[in-house]
Amino acid sequence: GAVVSQHPSRVICKSGTSVKIECRSLDFQATTMFWYRQFPKQSLMLMATSNEGSKATYEQGVEKDKFLINHASLTLSTLTVTSAHPEDSSFYICSAHRGFNQPQHFGDGTRLSIL
Amino acid sequence: GENVEQHPSTLSVQEGDSAVIKCTYSDSASNYFPWYKQELGKGPQLIIDIRSNVGEKKDQRIAVTLNKTAKHFSLHITETQPEDSAVYFCAASVGLNYGGSQGNLIFGKGTKLSVKP
Repeated sequence: GAVVSQHPSRVICKSGTSVKIECRSLDFQATTMFWYRQFPKQSLMLMATSNEGSKATYEQGVEKDKFLINHASLTLSTLTVTSAHPEDSSFYICSAHRGFNQPQHFGDGTRLSIL
Repeated sequence: GENVEQHPSTLSVQEGDSAVIKCTYSDSASNYFPWYKQELGKGPQLIIDIRSNVGEKKDQRIAVTLNKTAKHFSLHITETQPEDSAVYFCAASVGLNYGGSQGNLIFGKGTKLSVKP
């Protein structure tokens, strides 16, 4: 079946550091990838939609300059949390699908902890 | 925009019993309804999905029903096993042909299912 790989699975770093998270579709070309944030015991909150070769579409309230998204190929999207602060600590999850109304397949998430 | 309500928030059943989780949605244009299972520290895994042209879909012990008129859909798990314990999320999506944006999923708040041996 479809596999989405996310790396790293866990990051612990100091405040002010920038952190890059990678999301790869391993066995299909993903026209669209999505980035979510999940707080403990809560649902997934969509942060942005990433389209290959074009700018990401950010959801209301999500800072574009804070959460940089790059989708340089049909199999790779990256999320960079710039100048991270403790309030950015969260579980970040990506997903990918072949096209609209196709199932979204999720990575295993990245646990980001900012000290 | 779309709003998805999910109930119950927690559900505890005895091994072998059935579990039912219900969701309602607000946007009648939604046409795709997946269910995801999320285990602790992992990303959500798609377990079953249904499109609006179908009323019911089954996959072994898992079934999903959709009532478009009432705008609700349900997940049914029969003969539950301890390994079914997880958080389950329903979601709804509007496709591009309905003017929606790229099939964005709107998730319910999740149901924590505990299956007791």
